[in-house]
Amino acid sequence: GNSVTQMEGPVTLSEEAFLTINCTYTATGYPSLFWYVQYPGEGLQLLLKATKADDKGSNKGFEATYRKETTSFHLEKGSVQVSDSAVYFCALSDHRVYGGSEKLVFGKGTKLTVNP
Amino acid sequence: DAGVIQSPRHEVTEMGQEVTLRCKPISGHDYLFWYRQTMMRGLELLIYFNNNVPIDDSGMPEDRFSAKMPNASFSTLKIQPSEPRDSAVYFCASSLDRANQPQHFGDGTRLSIL
Repeated sequence: GNSVTQMEGPVTLSEEAFLTINCTYTATGYPSLFWYVQYPGEGLQLLLKATKADDKGSNKGFEATYRKETTSFHLEKGSVQVSDSAVYFCALSDHRVYGGSEKLVFGKGTKLTVNP
Repeated sequence: DAGVIQSPRHEVTEMGQEVTLRCKPISGHDYLFWYRQTMMRGLELLIYFNNNVPIDDSGMPEDRFSAKMPNASFSTLKIQPSEPRDSAVYFCASSLDRANQPQHFGDGTRLSIL
């Protein structure tokens, strides 16, 4: 079945450091890939997405590229801020034959703490 | 635009009591999902609906859990009787029935069963 594997956390960085959170997936078909972020006390929010191979999703300085050859969707940011402290989830959505989206398969989440 | 609205935000009750969690999805969304989040098990999909019809309830832990969606703007998740191991944060999410659409999450209900 479909699955998502994320790097184990927690990750602790200093402000302005470079961030990479690894995500690999296993899927039949042609999934869309997502990164969600969860701030303390809140629900998950979509951070970025990519819908086909070689697409790059980007938002708020975060980027991730859909790599079909390595089945990966690693999240990167060049310079993190204290406000980026949150839990990050990688997810995939496998399309039905006629293109609708159903349930997401989530990774276990990676907690990021950024210190000033 | 109003997002997904869940109530209550916090619930504390004694084991054996009935618990009802409520969700109002984003207007016009076709899918509704219920998740449970714990430190030990992470984020688990419990059940989801398409156009008010349950599609997959294989994640519902046992018969004590039930979910309904009587109309397009309201869903409930009920636990009866509740047990301490049901303590978790329960999220509702909704999405459109089109390719590549993200799910929109509510802020969750933090449930504590004493």
